[in-house]
Amino acid sequence: DQQVKQNSPSLSVQEGRISILNCDYTNSMFDYFLWYKKYPAEGPTFLISISSIKDKNEDGRFTVFLNKSAKHLSLHIVPSQPGDSAVYFCAASELGGEKLTFGTGTRLTIIP
Amino acid sequence: DAGVTQSPTHLIKTRGQQVTLRCSPKSGHDTVSWYQQALGQGPQFIFQYYEEEERQRGNFPDRFSGHQFPNYSSELNVNALLLGDSALYLCASSLTTDYEQYFGPGTRLTVT
Repeated sequence: DQQVKQNSPSLSVQEGRISILNCDYTNSMFDYFLWYKKYPAEGPTFLISISSIKDKNEDGRFTVFLNKSAKHLSLHIVPSQPGDSAVYFCAASELGGEKLTFGTGTRLTIIP
Repeated sequence: DAGVTQSPTHLIKTRGQQVTLRCSPKSGHDTVSWYQQALGQGPQFIFQYYEEEERQRGNFPDRFSGHQFPNYSSELNVNALLLGDSALYLCASSLTTDYEQYFGPGTRLTVT
């Protein structure tokens, strides 16, 4: 039972353009959502998060959008840079929950 | 300020053996969670420790056990190793009041 789904295993984007990574979830009890970035041989690095009471959160080049009615969130990276090439994981937590439920990840490749 | 550290980096064990993995949380963090990441998958929650007690557990058998020490560091023990236990084991630390978890680099366990 995959409660968090990232349906695109990979995505290639030209340097300088916008990268959009998508994530869908099925558990209506999820209250908080996070994006992590992972380089090979390293642990996931926290990028940005959003509470279910908001529909947008922005931090520099990164913006996360949440559509609760569609149970969908997306991460926008603009402009995309070569250092953004990594695997991106979407994760979710229930209210007061201790555990993060992760998607399977999307490998983003930025083409110079 | 040191982030989350884990030891060892790599480990090779034989089926049926036991293994202990170690984690030191980020300075100031009081909560430690453990995740298992199989190849091509997102991290799967094993359990979380707070105040030296297991607070929540994921869908893992009793062969997986843990411990948290008074200095907040933690150990993950796996008994009777199976080939399927081969994975990257990630430790994450957080403040009990926060959703964001910060990950260490992981321990790569290979069971032969």
